[in-house]
Amino acid sequence: GAVVSQHPSWVICKSGTSVKIECRSLDFQATTMFWYRQFPKQSLMLMATSNEGSKATYEQGVEKDKFLINHASLTLSTLTVTSAHPEDSSFYICSARPPAPGTSNQPQHFGDGTRLSIL
Amino acid sequence: QKEVEQNSGPLSVPEGAIASLNCTYSDRVSQSFFWYRQYSGKSPELIMSIYSNGDKEDGRFTAQLNKASQYVSLLIRDSQPSDSATYLCAVNMDSNYQLIWGAGTKLIIKP
Repeated sequence: GAVVSQHPSWVICKSGTSVKIECRSLDFQATTMFWYRQFPKQSLMLMATSNEGSKATYEQGVEKDKFLINHASLTLSTLTVTSAHPEDSSFYICSARPPAPGTSNQPQHFGDGTRLSIL
Repeated sequence: QKEVEQNSGPLSVPEGAIASLNCTYSDRVSQSFFWYRQYSGKSPELIMSIYSNGDKEDGRFTAQLNKASQYVSLLIRDSQPSDSATYLCAVNMDSNYQLIWGAGTKLIIKP
């Protein structure tokens, strides 16, 4: 149980292109999903918390107009990197947390990640 | 500032020995603690979760929690080369379900 699917796995595109990454919870409904970025040999960095039916909460230093997050259903969140540039090249990973109202006991389950390369 | 601290390693352990990974956290009211394994180039994978003081065992893995000392550890018995990875400690410190992540400990199991 608690399977999270992320697509695509790899993206290579030209500078200035916008790229959309999808994150789906396959066997549970996720009111909250998370988007992370990880540069080589560095720690996971939380970019934003995606809330179904409302605006995402962005971490300090993350440009919300650059990284558009939409969480239109209980099983799908999307991250769009707008006008991507080489410095946006990174490993983007989503996670979702099965519902457990009133508790923090449910872990986050991760998608396989998307490796984004901007030429 | 809420923090989770791990020794970055690398921690080198002979095959068949016990690997011991440690993590400390700053917020005394933390309730949920997780260990994830991340292979190079892959996303994190949940290994263990622990919520109460004491030990929790799952196969070759044992998680240990000491809330008084704000300390959580992961023991891997009969270490295998396939256990070589970075192990991430994550702690839930408040009610917004975000996890505070340690930087990870790189574990190398030598055949």
